[in-house]
Amino acid sequence: QVQLQESGPGLVKPSQTLSLTCTVSGGSISSGSAYWNWIRQPAGKALEWIGRIYTSGSTNYNPSLKSRVTMSVDTSKNQFSLRLSSVTAADTAVYYCARGAGGLRYDYWGQGILVTVSS
Amino acid sequence: QSVLTQPPSVSGAPGQRVTISCTGASSNIGAGYDVHWYQHLPGTAPKLLIYGNSNRPSGVPDRFSGSKSGTSASLAITGLQAEDEADYYCQSYDSSLSGSVFGGGTKLTVL
Repeated sequence: QVQLQESGPGLVKPSQTLSLTCTVSGGSISSGSAYWNWIRQPAGKALEWIGRIYTSGSTNYNPSLKSRVTMSVDTSKNQFSLRLSSVTAADTAVYYCARGAGGLRYDYWGQGILVTVSS
Repeated sequence: QSVLTQPPSVSGAPGQRVTISCTGASSNIGAGYDVHWYQHLPGTAPKLLIYGNSNRPSGVPDRFSGSKSGTSASLAITGLQAEDEADYYCQSYDSSLSGSVFGGGTKLTVL
């Protein structure tokens, strides 16, 4: 059973960079045709797809966040990461990592990590 | 404002049937992109409930079913149980936004 776990600081100051890591267990991050995603949910709002990365390093980002997002993957550690620069209070949200599969569905998710942007 | 529109809440008594709608547009559901549904209990990992409009992953009871027509999709839950009380989200792809889009979520209350 594939499991994903987010980790990183729960508090980030405005204008700084948010950095999160997702550790994949129960399977290799490089196996099959899966791709790896970050999704967030501000309190009381809808889920928002941030972007995805393939183990080749190829990425696709949400156009509304593209200028501030960088994703990377470390296959040796079975991890992938998110960096979101120049954060503001609007970036306060629960951040989820998820595995992508055929048809652009997300078949495994982490439990989420709350990141608060505040001074 | 979400790209996909869902009712904020639905409710039903144990044993009843409820449906949750997901309305999109010609750039997402209407363009033929698959619709997927997730069940989410706060504080836990969202769970894929229906994929490819109407398919159930292994382990999902057949009380849950999905359908799609035109620019809309629906999730139906029959034989409602207390454990079904959760938030439900639809998801698809939007060609004009070049990315995945979600509905605003529907809170199901089992009376």
